[in-house]
Amino acid sequence: SQQGEEDPQALSIQEGENATMNCSYKTSINNLQWYRQNSGRGLVHLILIRSNEREKHSGRLRVTLDTSKKSSSLLITASRAADTASYFCATETPGKLIFGQGTTLQVKP
Amino acid sequence: GAVVSQHPSWVICKSGTSVKIECRSLDFQATTMFWYRQFPKQSLMLMATSNEGSKATYEQGVEKDKFLINHASLTLSTLTVTSAHPEDSSFYICSASRGGAAAYEQYFGPGTRLTVT
Repeated sequence: SQQGEEDPQALSIQEGENATMNCSYKTSINNLQWYRQNSGRGLVHLILIRSNEREKHSGRLRVTLDTSKKSSSLLITASRAADTASYFCATETPGKLIFGQGTTLQVKP
Repeated sequence: GAVVSQHPSWVICKSGTSVKIECRSLDFQATTMFWYRQFPKQSLMLMATSNEGSKATYEQGVEKDKFLINHASLTLSTLTVTSAHPEDSSFYICSASRGGAAAYEQYFGPGTRLTVT
């Protein structure tokens, strides 16, 4: 079963613009992670945010977490063509990770 | 550190045959390994969790007799798709976690593309 739902499903922007994608989940969590997947490749871990954190930064990435709304957002600033990929949120249920449906981001040069 | 490899990276097999996919943790001991399946343009779906030396735990709806998982050592888990059919064509991804680590601390392999003709 899918815990997280992400929107938008697809996003197309110009290089240099910011990209925001959202993830909603259903149950209480201890943490939430974001991953990137280039087409036909494995997952790259981007960032983990814990339930007691509201915002976290890593380079051009900013993640927010609102546990009252059971939602998280990933902001990529000053996007580059190399950011073109699918982005997934993942939450932990006992003993396993549950992934959201993902957002496919296309950054046009 | 924490590198996970998969072999092969892609495989084509005929319908009715079996195919084995290997997942190795290269620089750490993986007490637990996870197998996921991903259909085109979809998310990762957990198929099963395996702990070294014990039987795998399969997710609901995953046929354990069709997807055989073996985790015989702390660095190797294998997924065998038996009597493969075209609908088994998918991207299979494994992940591994160290002993004592939380479930969210998983290191992912690069995936294996299976095409059944």
